This record gives sequence, C-alpha cells and structure tokens, in this order.
Amino acid sequence: DGGITQSPKYLFRKEGQNVTLSCEQNLNHDAMYWYRQDPGQGLRLIYYSQIVNDFQKGDIAEGYSVSREKKESFPLTVTSAQKNPTAFYLCASSISPSGGRVEQYFGPGTRLTVT
Amino acid sequence: GENVEQHPSTLSVQEGDSAVIKCTYSDSASNYFPWYKQELGKGPQLIIDIRSNVGEKKDQRIAVTLNKTAKHFSLHITETQPEDSAVYFCAAVARTDSWGKLQFGAGTQVVVTP
Repeated sequence: DGGITQSPKYLFRKEGQNVTLSCEQNLNHDAMYWYRQDPGQGLRLIYYSQIVNDFQKGDIAEGYSVSREKKESFPLTVTSAQKNPTAFYLCASSISPSGGRVEQYFGPGTRLTVT
Repeated sequence: GENVEQHPSTLSVQEGDSAVIKCTYSDSASNYFPWYKQELGKGPQLIIDIRSNVGEKKDQRIAVTLNKTAKHFSLHITETQPEDSAVYFCAAVARTDSWGKLQFGAGTQVVVTP
C-alpha cells in the first residue's frame, strides 16, 4: 500500500520544547515538502528537498529545521524558537520536479498543539 | 514570484447545481495548475490538474478550464452532491521552477446543501 504517512496524527507539547514530526513515503518520489496550515488559511511552504542531504528554506522556515538522510524520510523539527507553533502540518512529495513531474501528493497531516 | 488569487472564499450550492471556482495567476511562465480537495482534518487530495498546452480537462463531474491569455483557470463541479462539501485549493507552478514549488490560492469552502 503506497503513500505518504505522517505520525502522529495529534501531538501535544509544552511551550519551550522541541518536537519532531515524522514524514515517510514509499512512492520513490525524489522531492518532499513541508507545509503549515493555520485554521481557515491556505498552505505555506516551510522547507523542501529534492535529493538526499539537500534541502531549501521555504517562505516560513524560521523556527523549523529538517533533515533528509534517506530518500523516503523527511522529518520536521519545530523548535522552541518558533513563536506560534500550533498548526496543522502537512508533508507532500512529488516524483521528479527537475524532470517535469511536479504533481504533489499530500500525507494526512499532523495537528500540533503547543500550550 | 507567482501570486495566485482564488474566488470566492465561500460557495453555497444546492445539491444538483453546479459550482465554479476561479483562480488567477501572475507568472506567465506557469505551466501546471492542480486543484486539491481538502476534507476537514485531512490532507489535500489532488483531484484534477491541467497543463498549459491544454485548454480544458474533464474527469466525470469535475472539469478544469485554462485561459492562458487572461491568466486564469477555473474548476467546474456539475451535479453537486453533499460529499463534494470541502475546501478546494488551486495552485500554480512555473516551468522555470526546477523545485516544483506550488503557489496556492487561499481556498474556497464549498457547502452543498441537500
């Protein structure tokens, strides 16, 4: 059963703690992306990666960090420096943007609540 | 950079009627235009897309049209059903963007009333 998995579905943390959100894909897609969605809002790009060990900042990267040690995994760490971390986080992947295959497919999301 | 505007922000339709959502884009280099459907608490689902070499694409009750001259594209849903109720997002990406970064519209909340 191919797809993108994100875990956990719900995550609760205390203010000041770092937290890592998991994203795994078994689609053999080259590129992976992290988005943030606030209630009633659109999607904002946090980080993206096209190959292993390489990633780029998106529009709202401050307070976040990522790694891409394996093609199938792209974890996102929300650090204590992120001022408003409570949000719905979405991971996506695409086959090969550099090869013109830009269709993005999304995971089910992780809802993070920081109090 | 690319800027995508989406209208309306909310759309209420009677079951069986048609729904139309419109998006405009700013970058003439954009050549790929997907539409996503997001149900409450779930990730967006790619429902249809169109590339700049095509003017219209249909898939059962949904269709997308593209006007490159005017730089706008639209989603058409015919014979709406209650399960069509969701938030719909349009997006665009430029052929010059090797990273495939999508620029999303703000979304349209569609409510289909029985």
